[in-house]
Parts: sequence; C-alpha cells; structure tokens
Amino acid sequence: ETGVTQTPRHLVMGMTNKKSLKCEQHLGHNAMYWYKQSAKKPLELMFVYNFKEQTENNSVPSRFSPECPNSSHLFLHLHTLQPEDSALYLCASSQGTGVNEQFFGPGTRLTVL
Amino acid sequence: KQEVTQIPAALSVPEGENLVLNCSFTDSAIYNLQWFRQDPGKGLTSLLLIQSSQREQTSGRLNASLDKSSGRSTLYIAASQPGDSATYLCAVFAYSGAGSYQLTFGKGTKLSVIP
Repeated sequence: ETGVTQTPRHLVMGMTNKKSLKCEQHLGHNAMYWYKQSAKKPLELMFVYNFKEQTENNSVPSRFSPECPNSSHLFLHLHTLQPEDSALYLCASSQGTGVNEQFFGPGTRLTVL
Repeated sequence: KQEVTQIPAALSVPEGENLVLNCSFTDSAIYNLQWFRQDPGKGLTSLLLIQSSQREQTSGRLNASLDKSSGRSTLYIAASQPGDSATYLCAVFAYSGAGSYQLTFGKGTKLSVIP
C-alpha cells in the first residue's frame, strides 16, 4: 500500500452505535489530519496531530474522539452520533504542520441513521 | 477569518470547449493556493499548486493563475473531455498560528463535460 489509506470506505451506523474510522499513511509523514465534508459545505478541518500530539481541535463535539498512537496511524472514534454527522470523512498527512503539502486519503462515507 | 468562494457552483459544457473556473479568497496573506479534483464519493487529487510568489502553473491541459493582491485564482481547462467531469476544489494555505498552517477550502465547482 502506498499513500494514505482509510478504512472502512463506507459505514452505516445507528445513533447509539460506537464505531471507529482508521487512517494509515505510508509516506513517512509526521502530521495527520481529519477533515469533514458535508453536502454543499466546504471541507472543514476537525483535528490535527503532529508527532502524535494533538495540535488543533476545531471546536469538534466530544462525540468525535481522535486517537493517534503513532505518526502513521490516526483513528476517529465515533459515539452517539447524530444524523447531521453523516458526511465524507477525509484523512490527510504531511511532513509537518508547517509549509508542507497535504496528501489525502479516499475518505470514509459515513451515514448515521 | 479566511473565506474561499468558487464560482460557478456547477458548470456544464460540451466536449472540446475551453473553460475557466474561478476562485476568490478574502485574506491575501497566503502561502500557496492549490486546485484539487474530487470524483463522486472519493478523496482529493491534487492538480496544481501555486506558490504565493508565482503567477501561474501549468500541467498538460490545465493552467492555474494566481493574483494574490486581488485575492483571485482561475483554473483554465483546455479542450475539455468527458473524463474531466468532477468537482474542482480550490484551497488556500495560510498561517494559522502557533507555527501551523491550514488549508481553507471553497465549496467547489461541479463540472460536467457532455460528449
């Protein structure tokens, strides 16, 4: 595998479920990002991790809980979501959080029933 | 707060036409500007990245220009093909504080090229 991979690609869950999204990057980068893309809205940055430390939380509700165990892996744990949380969740990575190009994964399409 | 606007929101053209997509941003203090392509339900593919000191970048049938002072960028697609049908996103990269930089995206232009 090369680049940035995300699993699962599609996920349907009920509001009471607990699920996790996984992102893995094979680029040797140190920074990883979660973005949310809702219908008819721009991509919104959710979280930023640099060297496993969270450096940015863009006022994301606590029902989204990120985890970065190492520089290659990023998780987004989901709990008690709302239907309006249905969106495409994109992961990205870069060499650092400075002036470095971000590379995006294919995304996970999440539907909350 | 940086805002990025893309016009038009959707565009339909016959195959073979040349076309221009527009992007504007409110804060000219950017480091670079990037154009991405997104196919339905898929991730982002980077097309062109223009540094703030540059005026344009070219890749094949694509040409992107940047006028930082006026807060505008255009993506020119020559001789459009049905395979160009996708959503095109513009994003600006700027300093967000504490040594970090952020990408701010527009909503995109959905392009349909009719055979």
